[in-house]
Amino acid sequence: QKEVEQNSGPLSVPEGAIASLNCTYSDRGSQSFFWYRQYSGKSPELIMSIYSNGDKEDGRFTAQLNKASQYVSLLIRDSQPSDSATYLCAVITSGTYKYIFGTGTRLKVLA
Amino acid sequence: DVKVTQSSRYLVKRTGEKVFLECVQDMDHENMFWYRQDPGLGLRLIYFSYDVKMKEKGDIPEGYSVSREKKERFSLILESASTNQTSMYLCASRRGTVNTEAFFGQGTRLTVV
Repeated sequence: QKEVEQNSGPLSVPEGAIASLNCTYSDRGSQSFFWYRQYSGKSPELIMSIYSNGDKEDGRFTAQLNKASQYVSLLIRDSQPSDSATYLCAVITSGTYKYIFGTGTRLKVLA
Repeated sequence: DVKVTQSSRYLVKRTGEKVFLECVQDMDHENMFWYRQDPGLGLRLIYFSYDVKMKEKGDIPEGYSVSREKKERFSLILESASTNQTSMYLCASRRGTVNTEAFFGQGTRLTVV
């Protein structure tokens, strides 16, 4: 079982819709969770971090964490064509400094 | 702003060469990481370092080694480059405390011919 799993997509949504991206992780003791956006040919850039169960909102982005079910999700409201990118989920595994990524989900926002 | 700088944006090397990829960060971060990124495989952790002279293997360390003699610099070494090491290499750093994010360098596209 992979440590961090994401659906590779592509996930296609129309402009203005809500995009929902999901990530599951295997280490139940993991404490820190991150979402990155990566445009083609560029480095990943941090969108949001979340450490506690529940929702965390930042502008059009909402991160959701459910430790009991071992998943973390990212919602993008009012999706724009400029949101088209690969979204990477990252987890710090318990007891280590390992910073592990999923394979990423490619999002396409259709104008 | 955190700055993570990788020494080269593009690199072409021959099979069998010893290759050094350098990464420098300016925020006094304890943890540093090297990843490679290949289509469909995401970011795979090669090695990481949680402090000066400390290193740990990631998920794909074979064919690589690392060096961290100073806190700000983390080097990835390909002992004898092979064509299957052609990839995008990304360096990242973070503060060594709970709940802190990692910042990335611009990446090095390495081609081994």
